[in-house]
Amino acid sequence: AQSVTQLGSHVSVSEGALVLLRCNYSSSVPPYLFWYVQYPNQGLQLLLKYTSAATLVKGINGFEAEFKKSETSFHLTKPSAHMSDAAEYFCAVTGDAIGSQGNLIFGKGTKLSVKP
Amino acid sequence: DTGVSQNPRHKITKRGQNVTFRCDPISEHNRLYWYRQTLGQGPEFLTYFQNEAQLEKSRLLSDRFSAERPKGSFSTLEIQRTEQGDSAMYLCASSLRPGTDAYEQYFGPGTRLTVT
Repeated sequence: AQSVTQLGSHVSVSEGALVLLRCNYSSSVPPYLFWYVQYPNQGLQLLLKYTSAATLVKGINGFEAEFKKSETSFHLTKPSAHMSDAAEYFCAVTGDAIGSQGNLIFGKGTKLSVKP
Repeated sequence: DTGVSQNPRHKITKRGQNVTFRCDPISEHNRLYWYRQTLGQGPEFLTYFQNEAQLEKSRLLSDRFSAERPKGSFSTLEIQRTEQGDSAMYLCASSLRPGTDAYEQYFGPGTRLTVT
């Protein structure tokens, strides 16, 4: 069984400050991990993914995440927040096995606010 | 590559009516997923197709829900005898098969259903 826990339903940062959104996962198989961003009334856009290659993953818009197996974490960071980063962010996990169901298990999301 | 498209974007219906949503995946993707997202929650898996075969349905998918993917191209999701609890955003995603480094799900913009 797989699950995702996102710590903090709301995170507020000042423009230019570090963004840190936390994600912990549980998986009985080697995981694939993803971060998605959702703007109001829109679908989900992929920010980055971990698929068992490099543990530090760089994504779009200056975001990156580090896979830490010992901590079962995949936290999302960005060195300097921009107003346009205000959105809801979802962490998701799925199994990596060929032939697996492949459906994503999502966390409940973290809403990021950026103050000017 | 025009991305995943969904129609309609919004649907308002009265309780007891039937509704049908359509999803057009990215053309080379053989996997197609349906998710449901309610306010303040992450998307929840409903069902998925590998080509034209529906391989898994979650317990969330009651008997009033049916999905098809004729010829392995577009998919439809029908809800019969809608209830107010069906009000949600219905998201479609497509991907290549899991187990490959190219595995990632691309989401459409969603169909927002409001049952009055």
